[in-house]
Amino acid sequence: GIQVEQSPPDLILQEGANSTLRCNFSDSVNNLQWFHQNPWGQLINLFYIPSGTKQNGRLSATTVATERYSLLYISSSQTTDSGVYFCAVAERRGGSEKLVFGKGTKLTVNP
Amino acid sequence: NAGVTQTPKFRILKIGQSMTLQCTQDMNHNYMYWYRQDPGMGLKLIYYSVGAGITDKGEVPNGYNVSRSTTEDFPLRLELAAPSQTSVYFCASSDPFWSGNTIYFGEGSWLTVV
Repeated sequence: GIQVEQSPPDLILQEGANSTLRCNFSDSVNNLQWFHQNPWGQLINLFYIPSGTKQNGRLSATTVATERYSLLYISSSQTTDSGVYFCAVAERRGGSEKLVFGKGTKLTVNP
Repeated sequence: NAGVTQTPKFRILKIGQSMTLQCTQDMNHNYMYWYRQDPGMGLKLIYYSVGAGITDKGEVPNGYNVSRSTTEDFPLRLELAAPSQTSVYFCASSDPFWSGNTIYFGEGSWLTVV
């Protein structure tokens, strides 16, 4: 099956700093999603981005499908950005499909 | 619009007990999933369903059972609970991913087996 690897596993920032999170995947995909899991455990969709670039406020994401990676950029980080960021790709087998998640990047933003 | 609703939110089980985690969605999604997340880890797929009456195993199905009698409901049954099943469980639903759809998660169910 598809392998999804995220880096770095942990990241500590001071408030106001910028960061880049990476997601590599082992096979071609046409569905890649980024999620934020807040410290209370809630999983929130950030981006659906199978290719190209999208921006939402201080967050943006770029997926280069031909090179099998995606990047999540966080600018001017805030303490509320803390949590775990997951990327997930869709794997299709035998007419059904499911999301395969990476292990996540744990981000801590200190005041 | 409630989205995906899971119950209970917290539960403590004794070894060998059984229980059912309930999940319902009101978005008319065909696809539903159960994931578990161990501390500090990513999400692992337990079971999934592509429609009423159809279920299939994910990565870690042992010790669990599911059923899908309606589009809305996808309960997860734990038989003979073991400490290794201590985890956070997430139910989710979606339309087909290859049509460009995203997945929606419930708020999670924290289960401790002692």
